[in-house]
Amino acid sequence: DQQVKQNSPSLSVQEGRISILNCDYTNSMFDYFLWYKKYPAEGPTFLISISSIKDKNEDGRFTVFLNKSAKHLSLHIVPSQPGDSAVYFCAAPEGGSNYKLTFGKGTLLTVNP
Amino acid sequence: EAGVTQFPSHSVIEKGQTVTLRCDPISGHDNLYWYRRVMGKEIKFLLHFVKESKQDESGMPNNRFLAERTGGTYSTLKVQPAELEDSGVYFCASSQATGGWLTQYFGPGTRLLVL
Repeated sequence: DQQVKQNSPSLSVQEGRISILNCDYTNSMFDYFLWYKKYPAEGPTFLISISSIKDKNEDGRFTVFLNKSAKHLSLHIVPSQPGDSAVYFCAAPEGGSNYKLTFGKGTLLTVNP
Repeated sequence: EAGVTQFPSHSVIEKGQTVTLRCDPISGHDNLYWYRRVMGKEIKFLLHFVKESKQDESGMPNNRFLAERTGGTYSTLKVQPAELEDSGVYFCASSQATGGWLTQYFGPGTRLLVL
């Protein structure tokens, strides 16, 4: 059973606009959530994280929001740039583990110039 | 500083053959992980080494998969015999001794196709 779900396989936005990538989870025991970014032929690269005790974490153009009651998190990219075009994975370390990451299927973001 | 490297980048083999994937972690990283992404699905954890010891191999699909990390440096993942469902991208990641998930650095992956 998939514990981390990304229901949108792809998203297309215009340069300069906001990109919103969504992620839902089923395991209420998750303590942290992470977003990874992946370019073709490369491995995933850590982007930003959020602890379950927070509802927002911001790093430059990237902000992650966490809604625990809805078991939902989202990654906002503002403003979006063509270089942001990549696959974005939502992930969480499995309960009691600080290393075994559970990933979603990923969302392909395309930012059009 | 060199990143995590994996070899080969691509491998095409026939069902029943053997394939060995190699991962060289970042120098000094005690933790080494293997993950796999089957096409269209999520990236799944396979196993975790701390130095040369297998800390957790709960994600290994079956006994056709064998991972080793002799000497605590590079690691190999052998699939023998390979089946069609083994096709996918195999990622290796590494992290420092005191770092956990936040500091996992991934390699570019090995794309395995079993025909």
